[in-house]
Amino acid sequence: DAKTTQPPSMDCAEGRAANLPCNHSTISGNEYVYWYRQIHSQGPQYIIHGLKNNETNEMASLIITEDRKSSTLILPHATLRDTAVYYCIVSNYGQNFVFGPGTRLSVLP
Amino acid sequence: DTAVSQTPKYLVTQMGNDKSIKCEQNLGHDTMYWYKQDSKKFLKIMFSYNNKELIINETVPNRFSPKSPDKAHLNLHINSLELGDSAVYFCASSLRQVLQGGEQFFGPGTRLTVL
Repeated sequence: DAKTTQPPSMDCAEGRAANLPCNHSTISGNEYVYWYRQIHSQGPQYIIHGLKNNETNEMASLIITEDRKSSTLILPHATLRDTAVYYCIVSNYGQNFVFGPGTRLSVLP
Repeated sequence: DTAVSQTPKYLVTQMGNDKSIKCEQNLGHDTMYWYKQDSKKFLKIMFSYNNKELIINETVPNRFSPKSPDKAHLNLHINSLELGDSAVYFCASSLRQVLQGGEQFFGPGTRLTVL
């Protein structure tokens, strides 16, 4: 079973920031937080990952709380093409790398 | 050019048959994976190979046997197919192992239906 909890669905207006939360209260010190997304019928796509510090790349930003028990993925300017299921995963050195049900993000025009 | 490719895209077969799914990556990665996505959409890692060596082998029935002839290929052979094997199977690859924080690139998936 997945070690993370995410809301099942969220809506976001096009052009606005999408903030996707994830709870991982049982995360251990050596586990990374990964975010992937899956657009319908395609393979998952890597977005970002981090251990302790906040991270930013061309796709998104990852904010990890100081106690590491939760994180937020931020898509700064959501577009219709960002509509997908977003998965938050914590990985214990590759074991139990499980994508849970994720959050279905709908970007609305 | 497709980075991670899988064949076939769809596979429909009878219970009890043996089938194989092929995966190839042209990214020069050292590590490859097989995942299974079930009807509830949970996507779980099954196997991981690094430089043709098995690294991760989650609790998977012995009927599933991965084979890596070289670094660029990781095939999945399934014996005596059962109804519960129906799922979408994804192949993936990464430059570094997941345990080192590696980003994974996924193939398009193979939808297996066992009748």
